[in-house]
Amino acid sequence: DAGITQSPRHKVTETGTPVTLRCHQTENHRYMYWYRQDPGHGLRLIHYSYGVKDTDKGEVSDGYSVSRSKTEDFLLTLESATSSQTSVYFCAISGDRALNQPQHFGDGTRLSIL
Amino acid sequence: GDSVTQMEGPVTLSEEAFLTINCTYTATGYPSLFWYVQYPGEGLQLLLKATKADDKGSNKGFEATYRKETTSFHLEKGSVQVSDSAVYFCALSDSGGGADGLTFGKGTHLIIQP
Repeated sequence: DAGITQSPRHKVTETGTPVTLRCHQTENHRYMYWYRQDPGHGLRLIHYSYGVKDTDKGEVSDGYSVSRSKTEDFLLTLESATSSQTSVYFCAISGDRALNQPQHFGDGTRLSIL
Repeated sequence: GDSVTQMEGPVTLSEEAFLTINCTYTATGYPSLFWYVQYPGEGLQLLLKATKADDKGSNKGFEATYRKETTSFHLEKGSVQVSDSAVYFCALSDSGGGADGLTFGKGTHLIIQP
């Protein structure tokens, strides 16, 4: 299994509070991604990174920010959490795109905003 | 934009039955195609992939063929087991599986009864 660790695995917090989710990889892969999974929507891309300090927006980026100061860590921040951000969040990594290497996923963080 | 359409289910089969989960896609370029599987409480695991037309991906008895003429990537298995019960996601990447993320279908919940 790809070395991907997401933390925390579960979190309950209140509307309006800031929340940071962490994704840590031990594979030295260049590309990292954050998705959210919601019933009836499958997985949707929030943000992705193609290198240290290089990030870009995905399909559902509003209300989220990311940072990547080291190859191994990719942080997702909800500056002021809302109930619509209750979801399961998955981090993914991939290596050399020229070799068509697929994405590998972490075990997810279940986030509840009350 | 890119999109993936798959039956959502639940699909309920008896053990040893033949399985087909349909997946069709629209894409602007020449995508790579993937099937992922998600077991309860876990992240997504890559099941198989195909990177060009007429490629056949296979793994653990599952197969899927990249059909460019019908823009399809249907998942098949000749004899399913109770342990195959899970949610299956079809996905595509227009960038070879690297940056820019994957576009997912909504997932098909498969239930295999003994």
